[in-house]
Amino acid sequence: GAVVSQHPSWVICKSGTSVKIECRSLDFQATTMFWYRQFPKQSLMLMATSNEGSKATYEQGVEKDKFLINHASLTLSTLTVTSAHPEDSSFYICSAPVPGRNEQYFGPGTRLTVT
Amino acid sequence: QKEVEQDPGPLSVPEGAIVSLNCTYSNSAFQYFMWYRQYSRKGPELLMYTYSSGNKEDGRFTAQVDKSSKYISLFIRDSQPSDSATYLCAMSAELGTDKLIFGTGTRLQVFP
Repeated sequence: GAVVSQHPSWVICKSGTSVKIECRSLDFQATTMFWYRQFPKQSLMLMATSNEGSKATYEQGVEKDKFLINHASLTLSTLTVTSAHPEDSSFYICSAPVPGRNEQYFGPGTRLTVT
Repeated sequence: QKEVEQDPGPLSVPEGAIVSLNCTYSNSAFQYFMWYRQYSRKGPELLMYTYSSGNKEDGRFTAQVDKSSKYISLFIRDSQPSDSATYLCAMSAELGTDKLIFGTGTRLQVFP
């Protein structure tokens, strides 16, 4: 299957700082990537759709200015959590659909802990 | 009503048992159905992808779709302790870059 990577896998930061998470499609080009957040023992909640060359589309209730998304190239999307707070601590996962198919492949996730 | 409902579990079964995982949905526009397996603190891994009603088999896994009843299932035969994970159903309406709608996940534990 297609490979999607994320970096870092785990990050701890202090309250008020910003954290950048990278999502890369390693063996295919992705014009679209999706960012999810998952709290313990809960399902994935879609945060936003990242589009190469255009603005991201955010789901209702997700703050655009807090979760900045940049789809820099056909293989890279970044999510920046700005002015992070403890309630932002969560598991962030990205996914990318394979062109011409409806299958989406997920990255391994990034665990963010804000102290 | 949620768009996708999934039996929450947790489900605990002995090794070798047949496991049945199920989801129902309300949006008749959904055409594409997927099952993902997620181990603790890992990203979801795609197990099965189906489009039409009927059965699709892959090794010990069988995915079943009944569009008339808006019901999908995943069967695991000869379950193994390594199958212990959370299983998420997901579905979408359009081919390509449409977002997925996930069920809440069913936690499965297979004990030796």
